[in-house]
Amino acid sequence: KAGVTQTPRYLIKTRGQQVTLSCSPISGHRSVSWYQQTPGQGLQFLFEYFSETQRNKGNFPGRFSGRQFSNSRSEMNVSTLELGDSALYLCASSSGQLHLSNIQYFGAGTRLSVL
Amino acid sequence: TQLLEQSPQFLSIQEGENLTVYCNSSSVFSSLQWYRQEPGEGPVLLVTVVTGGEVKKLKRLTFQFGDARKDSSLHITAAQPGDTGLYLCAGARDRGAQKLVFGQGTRLTINP
Repeated sequence: KAGVTQTPRYLIKTRGQQVTLSCSPISGHRSVSWYQQTPGQGLQFLFEYFSETQRNKGNFPGRFSGRQFSNSRSEMNVSTLELGDSALYLCASSSGQLHLSNIQYFGAGTRLSVL
Repeated sequence: TQLLEQSPQFLSIQEGENLTVYCNSSSVFSSLQWYRQEPGEGPVLLVTVVTGGEVKKLKRLTFQFGDARKDSSLHITAAQPGDTGLYLCAGARDRGAQKLVFGQGTRLTINP
């Protein structure tokens, strides 16, 4: 079956703008998590959506928001972009079941550059 | 605050050598996962360990979870150029591993 699809793969924005990233999970998966990856901080958890509800949240400012649709596709929005928001944004999908062997499958990411 | 300390951050060795990557924390995790990431791609799961003291083998890769479930190691035997990549450990506090805490990663280069 198809993997996790993230669009677009690359984005260039300027400070102050907003951006929306999209993630289509593996068919049948109900959980979508978002991570930010930077050279300095590594991979950091942003938030997780399960059945259209935010179930977990990381320590990012309110400029970072997300949502999930009834077909489990998810979008992430960043408003008032700052230079430090330049990063690779990764989406991961899983069944969402709360058992130890639950596996997250990552997409290839969206590389955002803020100028 | 980096809850998972991964070391070394960079490692460059010759083909055929052995290596170990460490992932340490003062926190207890329900499970710990190891990923490998290639340039331009997302991380790909290699293994999940859930029981303290657990050892898992994947061909030339051996993964160990510490008895107290606070640390883990990845050992590669007879490294090959194809093992080159970014190796990441990630811990999950909750069952289901929905919110992962990642180490900084180890960038491994195997020279022919």
